[in-house]
Amino acid sequence: EAGVAQSPRYKIIEKRQSVAFWCNPISGHATLYWYQQILGQGPKLLIQFQNNGVVDDSQLPKDRFSAERLKGVDSTLKIQPAKLEDSAVYLCASSLAVLETQYFGPGTRLLVL
Amino acid sequence: GEDVEQSLFLSVREGDSSVINCTYTDSSSTYLYWYKQEPGAGLQLLTYIFSNMDMKQDQRLTVLLNKKDKHLSLRIADTQTGDSAIYFCAERGLYSSASKIIFGSGTRLSIRP
Repeated sequence: EAGVAQSPRYKIIEKRQSVAFWCNPISGHATLYWYQQILGQGPKLLIQFQNNGVVDDSQLPKDRFSAERLKGVDSTLKIQPAKLEDSAVYLCASSLAVLETQYFGPGTRLLVL
Repeated sequence: GEDVEQSLFLSVREGDSSVINCTYTDSSSTYLYWYKQEPGAGLQLLTYIFSNMDMKQDQRLTVLLNKKDKHLSLRIADTQTGDSAIYFCAERGLYSSASKIIFGSGTRLSIRP
């Protein structure tokens, strides 16, 4: 069974630029999560989707971050414009359903200069 | 809000047991988890314990839960070099929105020869 795929693996941008990350969850997984993991910290949930609907986006900085999961499969997370403090690893995870085990992708490491 | 705390570093000799400790604040925690993160990789669920249990054993892993003190520990028997990683404690509360998991900052386990 293929795991959660993410791309790109690494991205370096300058502040005020835009960036987008892509996630392909495990086939059949209805729930998809985006986490932000700042160096030295644990992952923090940014947004959770159930199929193509948003379940929880309470910690998503909506003035600059946006995410979508069209057709309830792949998802993209966008930052526009990026700030220095957005430097982090962005992890995507998926689960069969809301309370089921979350499987994590390898993450996208973002460096904002 | 909910909080999960762990010590940052642990160094053990190869073949010894490792004990990683964690405290949490949410008294409504239902599930408590241990995740492992190797360099450049996403998080891998190692084991979890339901809040009405006080111990769970899975091969070399033993999880102990003291619900009164809100203390969770992970014991790794016969620690090997492949166990070098960051270990995250996490909890899911009964009342947390949309089953959100709260992660600690991680404990970096290093193995001495």
